[in-house]
Amino acid sequence: GAVVSQHPSRVICKSGTSVKIECRSLDFQATTMFWYRQFPKQSLMLMATSNEGSKATYEQGVEKDKFLINHASLTLSTLTVTSAHPEDSSFYICSAGRSVGDTEAFFGQGTRLTVV
Amino acid sequence: LAKTTQPISMDSYEGQEVNITCSHNNIATNDYITWYQQFPSQGPRFIIQGYKTKVTNEVASLFIPADRKSSTLSLPRVSLSDTAVYYCLVGPSGNTGKLIFGQGTTLQVKP
Repeated sequence: GAVVSQHPSRVICKSGTSVKIECRSLDFQATTMFWYRQFPKQSLMLMATSNEGSKATYEQGVEKDKFLINHASLTLSTLTVTSAHPEDSSFYICSAGRSVGDTEAFFGQGTRLTVV
Repeated sequence: LAKTTQPISMDSYEGQEVNITCSHNNIATNDYITWYQQFPSQGPRFIIQGYKTKVTNEVASLFIPADRKSSTLSLPRVSLSDTAVYYCLVGPSGNTGKLIFGQGTTLQVKP
């Protein structure tokens, strides 16, 4: 089946620094990828839609200048958390659909970000 | 997108059949019902999708009554490894992005 891979799986950073998370579609091309955030004991919340070759679309309440998204190729989207603070500590998950009309979304394994 | 309501948690024992019901009173005509499974510290994984009546695959069955205002995910003979959070989502088929997750149901399977 289709595979979406995230890297790193976990990262610890100091407050005020930036962290980049990569999301790759390993065996298919994805013109669109999606980024979610999940706090402990809570559900996934959609943050933004990553569009290959164009600007990302952010959900209401998500700061685009804080969560920078780049989708430079058909198999890679990156999420950079800028000037991270402890409240940004969360589980970040990306997803992609394999093809138009496909019934299932494929999710990465997630990235656990801890800001200290 | 239609809102879904599920029980927050359920307990079961190994070998039992588990049925998780989801309410979606405002489901639209072109909406499908999709279930995802999520283990701790992992991304969700697709389980099954259906539109009406019954759908079965190697993992689960999905029962959808005629009015489609609810659906039931049935897991036959659960094992400890089925302990996870199960999410019911409603939306157009082919919508593999911008998924709106509800609170999900935490299933705890006991030995």
